[in-house]
Amino acid sequence: GAVVSQHPSRVICKSGTSVKIECRSLDFQATTMFWYRQFPKKSLMLMATSNEGSKATYEQGVEKDKFLINHASLTLSTLTVTSAHPEDSSFYICSARLAGSNEKLFFGSGTQLSVL
Amino acid sequence: KQEVTQIPAALSVPEGENLVLNCSFTDSAIYNLQWFRQDPGKGLTSLLLIQSSQREQTSGRLNASLDKSSGRSTLYIAASQPGDSATYLCAVRPDQKVTFGTGTKLQVIP
Repeated sequence: GAVVSQHPSRVICKSGTSVKIECRSLDFQATTMFWYRQFPKKSLMLMATSNEGSKATYEQGVEKDKFLINHASLTLSTLTVTSAHPEDSSFYICSARLAGSNEKLFFGSGTQLSVL
Repeated sequence: KQEVTQIPAALSVPEGENLVLNCSFTDSAIYNLQWFRQDPGKGLTSLLLIQSSQREQTSGRLNASLDKSSGRSTLYIAASQPGDSATYLCAVRPDQKVTFGTGTKLQVIP
């Protein structure tokens, strides 16, 4: 099946620093990728939709200057948490949509971000 | 606004038991519905995907059904095993976006 690689799997950083998370579709091209955030014991919340070659579409309440998304190629989307603060600590997951007859979503393994 | 609810929130069963997880959604205008499992601290693994025109999908011990008109889907797990222990999420797609359910945390006791 299609594979989505997300890196890093875990990152610990100091408050005020920026963290970049990469999401790659390894064996398929993804014109659209999605970024989710998951709080402990909660379901996934869509943060933004990343479209290759254009600006990302952010969900209501998500600060686009805080969470920078770049989708520079058909296989790579990045999420940068800028000037991270402890409240940004969370589990972030990306997914890529495989275009085709069934349009499944495939997910990365997630990134646990801890901001000290 | 689409809302997706999963019942029960948590379930503990002895090994070998058959079980049913429920997912309900408020807007029946969906494109497809997908079931996932999530292990602690990990990403999501796709289990089954049902198109809006389909009634059910089967994969091994798993069977998922969809009743779009009533806004319900069920995931049936036969002969449960300890390795099935995880959180199960359903997700509906009305369009490009996906709305996830609240999840059911399953524990299968050896």
